[in-house]
Amino acid sequence: NAGVMQNPRHLVRRRGQEARLRCSPMKGHSHVYWYRQLPEEGLKFMVYLQKENIIDESGMPKERFSAEFPKEGPSILRIQQVVRGDSAAYFCASSPEVSSYNSPLHFGNGTRLTVT
Amino acid sequence: AQSVTQLDSQVPVFEEAPVELRCNYSSSVSVYLFWYVQYPNQGLQLLLKYLSGSTLVKGINGFEAEFNKSQTSFHLRKPSVHISDTAEYFCAVSPLYNQGGKLIFGQGTELSVKP
Repeated sequence: NAGVMQNPRHLVRRRGQEARLRCSPMKGHSHVYWYRQLPEEGLKFMVYLQKENIIDESGMPKERFSAEFPKEGPSILRIQQVVRGDSAAYFCASSPEVSSYNSPLHFGNGTRLTVT
Repeated sequence: AQSVTQLDSQVPVFEEAPVELRCNYSSSVSVYLFWYVQYPNQGLQLLLKYLSGSTLVKGINGFEAEFNKSQTSFHLRKPSVHISDTAEYFCAVSPLYNQGGKLIFGQGTELSVKP
């Protein structure tokens, strides 16, 4: 049973380019969460999605960042016009449809974005 | 609002010694508490969680944590560490009214086990 799959593992972008990060949740999981880990810091919640719906985007920067989780295919975190401050590790986590307090979050191995 | 403070950014310890990683939180509402471990270049793995009931919680890999409501602490302990325990450890909380996956993390404690 494959875990949460994130790709690419490493992504290098120049300032002003777009970054697209992909996350395939565990089989049977329909809830996806994106977190960002800046250097020397803990993870910060960005957005919570269910299939075709954004449930909570309170942690998303107001500009340049967007997320989607279409009916078919992986969840995508998109960062437009990247800046050096976007350099971080971006983690995706998933949980099944039932209460996630009794089913722990399953994290992917992350995408490490470097903006040059 | 909630916040989590991990009091030690780095903890070096010798193999087979006991270890305690400290975590304090601040919240005006009741919370659930979690400890996660992150091995190099990997995602986070749940070690243990406190939802309710007994304040002493046992997790995987021989770790345990004790919830102290009066001191708003949730310290992680292991009586005898192994080299393989070298990793970064994160304490996290989630208010009871939140969706289960929206966690507030501390800054992390880097545990380094030396032979």
